Amino acid sequence: SQQGEEDPQALSIQEGENATMNCSYKTSINNLQWYRQNSGRGLVHLILIRSNEREKHSGRLRVTLDTSKKSSSLLITASRAADTASYFCATDPIQGAQKLVFGQGTRLTINP
Amino acid sequence: SAVISQKPSRDICQRGTSLTIQCQVDSQVTMMFWYRQQPGQSLTLIATANQGSEATYESGFVIDKFPISRPNLTFSTLTVSNMSPEDSSIYLCSVGVGSGKTEAFFGQGTRLTVV
Repeated sequence: SQQGEEDPQALSIQEGENATMNCSYKTSINNLQWYRQNSGRGLVHLILIRSNEREKHSGRLRVTLDTSKKSSSLLITASRAADTASYFCATDPIQGAQKLVFGQGTRLTINP
Repeated sequence: SAVISQKPSRDICQRGTSLTIQCQVDSQVTMMFWYRQQPGQSLTLIATANQGSEATYESGFVIDKFPISRPNLTFSTLTVSNMSPEDSSIYLCSVGVGSGKTEAFFGQGTRLTVV
C-alpha cells in the first residue's frame, strides 16, 4: 500500500526558479529517499536522509525531514529544463529490508 | 552502484497471453525486487525475489499471476500471466547494494500494453 502522499501532484515553474515538493508518510521510518523518473523510465536515486537527520544537501538539492510531522520536503534550487521529471519520495520502514514504499509523486515541469 | 539491464523495454501483448520480463545485474546482489507502476501512478512493490527459495509476495499479488524466478544472485524474471488490459503498466526491477543496502537501483523498466 502507498504510504506517502506528495504535494503538489504537479508543479510548473520557470527556469531558474526554485521548486519545492513535499512528502508525508504514515509509519515510522529508518530513512527517506527521493528519486527522479524521466518519462516513465527507471528511477534514479537523488538523496537519502536518515531518520535522525533534519536536513541534507547535495548540489542544488536540499532535503528536510520532520519526523514529528512525518513529512519531508525536496527543494531544487535554480531549476533547469533538464530537471523536468517526476519526483518520488520513498520510505524504508524496515531497516535493511529495502522494501521501499513510494509516495504518489510530483510531476515537475520547468519552462524555458 | 549497480547496472541493471531489463528486457524487453516495451511490448504489446494480446490478452490471455503471458510475458516474461528479465532483469540482469552486473554484480551479485542479495535482494531483488519487482515493482509495478500503473499509468500515471506511483510504484507498488509486487514481490521480493529470493535466491534459492520462493519469492515473497506483497498483499494483493499472487504467485499464479506473477511467477518469479531467481536462479542466481545476478538474474531474475517476472512473468505476467493470463494478461488483461488492467495489467498494462510499467514493470521495474530493483536491487540494493552497498554495506548499508539503503540506496536502490532500478532497471529502465518494461512498458507493457495489453490489448
